[in-house]
Amino acid sequence: EAGVTQFPSHSVIEKGQTVTLRCDPISGHDNLYWYRRVMGKEIKFLLHFVKESKQDESGMPNNRFLAERTGGTYSTLKVQPAELEDSGVYFCASSPITGEKLFFGSGTQLSVL
Amino acid sequence: QKEVEQNSGPLSVPEGAIASLNCTYSDRGSQSFFWYRQYSGKSPELIMSIYSNGDKEDGRFTAQLNKASQYVSLLIRDSQPSDSATYLCAVNAFNTDKLIFGTGTRLQVFP
Repeated sequence: EAGVTQFPSHSVIEKGQTVTLRCDPISGHDNLYWYRRVMGKEIKFLLHFVKESKQDESGMPNNRFLAERTGGTYSTLKVQPAELEDSGVYFCASSPITGEKLFFGSGTQLSVL
Repeated sequence: QKEVEQNSGPLSVPEGAIASLNCTYSDRGSQSFFWYRQYSGKSPELIMSIYSNGDKEDGRFTAQLNKASQYVSLLIRDSQPSDSATYLCAVNAFNTDKLIFGTGTRLQVFP
């Protein structure tokens, strides 16, 4: 069984550019989460999808971040325009049951220069 | 005060010893507690979950929870060099599905 897949693994962009991160959850997992780790800080929640619906987006830092989950399958997280403080590792996780074990992807390392 | 606090370490223990990792949390309404292991450059991997006061054992791992003291710990018996990793404590925020993570404790097991 394939795990949670994230693409790209690394992205280096300049301030003001746009970046789109993609997450493919484990097949059949209705719950999809985005988390972010800024260097030296803890992993922080961004948002939670149940199928295609946003269940909780309280962790999204501002309106430069847009997450979608078309058809309840893969999800994208777009940052537009990117700022220096957006640099960090963006993790996606999925689970079959809300509130239960999360399976994490290996993350996307985003560097904004 | 951070919502979930862990000592960043590194915690160094010899092979075969017991490693004790500690975590405190601030939200008294939290009901679910998790320990994740993260090797450098890899994804966090769940190793233990605990929901009620007391001890929960799984192989060489024992999670301990004390809700009155808002304290959760992870014991690793017979530590192996392969246990060297960062251990993340995570707590469900009350009445939500989101996890609140600590910054992690780096464990080093030396031969």
